[in-house]
Amino acid sequence: DTAVSQTPKYLVTQMGNDKSIKCEQNLGHDTMYWYKQDSKKFLKIMFSYNNKELIINETVPNRFSPKSPDKAHLNLHINSLELGDSAVYFCASSLGGTTNEKLFFGSGTQLSVL
Amino acid sequence: GEDVEQSLFLSVREGDSSVINCTYTDSSSTYLYWYKQEPGAGLQLLTYIFSNMDMKQDQRLTVLLNKKDKHLSLRIADTQTGDSAIYFCAETPGGYQKVTFGTGTKLQVIP
Repeated sequence: DTAVSQTPKYLVTQMGNDKSIKCEQNLGHDTMYWYKQDSKKFLKIMFSYNNKELIINETVPNRFSPKSPDKAHLNLHINSLELGDSAVYFCASSLGGTTNEKLFFGSGTQLSVL
Repeated sequence: GEDVEQSLFLSVREGDSSVINCTYTDSSSTYLYWYKQEPGAGLQLLTYIFSNMDMKQDQRLTVLLNKKDKHLSLRIADTQTGDSAIYFCAETPGGYQKVTFGTGTKLQVIP
């Protein structure tokens, strides 16, 4: 069983469209994250949720809206897609509430905006 | 700068040792981590070290920590072709739920 699964794996879309990426974890973790990896492989945190509550919101355009219906799911909705949104988006989870937060990553969603 | 810095690329011959270096930013990070990313996959935790330790060994992996210089290194002994990947160091600056990653080092192992 995959611990952190995200769908879709590939997403190709036109500028201006709205799209969603879904993420689920079956590890019983309390904390979930979205990271963005650009073409140079630089990995930057976007959001973090702990038990359905937003705890980290980096300087991300408000076109990006995370939603956590329960602590096992964290979805990412993106409005009015732009060329610069093209990247690989990773979902991750961790136990939460500890000083040693080991992250478990999904396999990524490669988003291409044309 | 404010980024966790790593050199971009390292090439070694199979069987040699690899040493990947990292300069982190926040001396209050309680734990420091090394992650591995294979092509087309997510990151996978390799090992971590508690900030009051100087060294940790885990099979072929040795982590060295120099807190004074905020320098972290990962040594891979007897490097194999399966070790080819991008390696990221990570810290938890200012809080335990914000893991910040380094710029990544691509390790190429030549057979």
